[in-house]
Amino acid sequence: SAVISQKPSRDICQRGTSLTIQCQVDSQVTMMFWYRQQPGQSLTLIATANQGSEATYESGFVIDKFPISRPNLTFSTLTVSNMSPEDSSIYLCSAPSGGSYNEQFFGPGTRLTVL
Amino acid sequence: GENVEQHPSTLSVQEGDSAVIKCTYSDSASNYFPWYKQELGKGPQLIIDIRSNVGEKKDQRIAVTLNKTAKHFSLHITETQPEDSAVYFCAATKGAQKLVFGQGTRLTINP
Repeated sequence: SAVISQKPSRDICQRGTSLTIQCQVDSQVTMMFWYRQQPGQSLTLIATANQGSEATYESGFVIDKFPISRPNLTFSTLTVSNMSPEDSSIYLCSAPSGGSYNEQFFGPGTRLTVL
Repeated sequence: GENVEQHPSTLSVQEGDSAVIKCTYSDSASNYFPWYKQELGKGPQLIIDIRSNVGEKKDQRIAVTLNKTAKHFSLHITETQPEDSAVYFCAATKGAQKLVFGQGTRLTINP
């Protein structure tokens, strides 16, 4: 299984500011995924981050609001820009194990509160 | 696109009893169905999965069944223990790409 770490684990931010979340995987992976989990809700995919290409965003999510970097095969960042209280959520990154069916493993999440 | 429905949203069982959580999916091309357990303050943990070429899979007290014709799959936990209390999510995907999650089930095991 892949071991995934995230930084920061939690943060409290002011409206209008931006926060960059880091995700580190213990092995090289082609794809990494960023999810949002609003309070008490399920997980919603924000975007797929492929190394060497632009991230692919899901409907309802745009690059200006959630810019993503993928500088190498073990690391990615997600920035939440110009934050509002509605952005208060848990942000999770995931990566496949590399097996034939690419079981996905998740990081511990970043708990963001926007005041 | 894929849509996954999960039931029930909450489930309370006595310790030692069995718990069953059910999911249905819409895209017949989906071929991989994982289940995740999320404890408070933690990320989702993969606990079991099943692929479309298999009808059932067991791992100790946990089992998953898949009915491709009806497009539904279920999680079965036997001999439940207090540490089984958590939120459980089903998901579906095709080609091991992006996961589409169900709404989640909050399972409470009563001692």
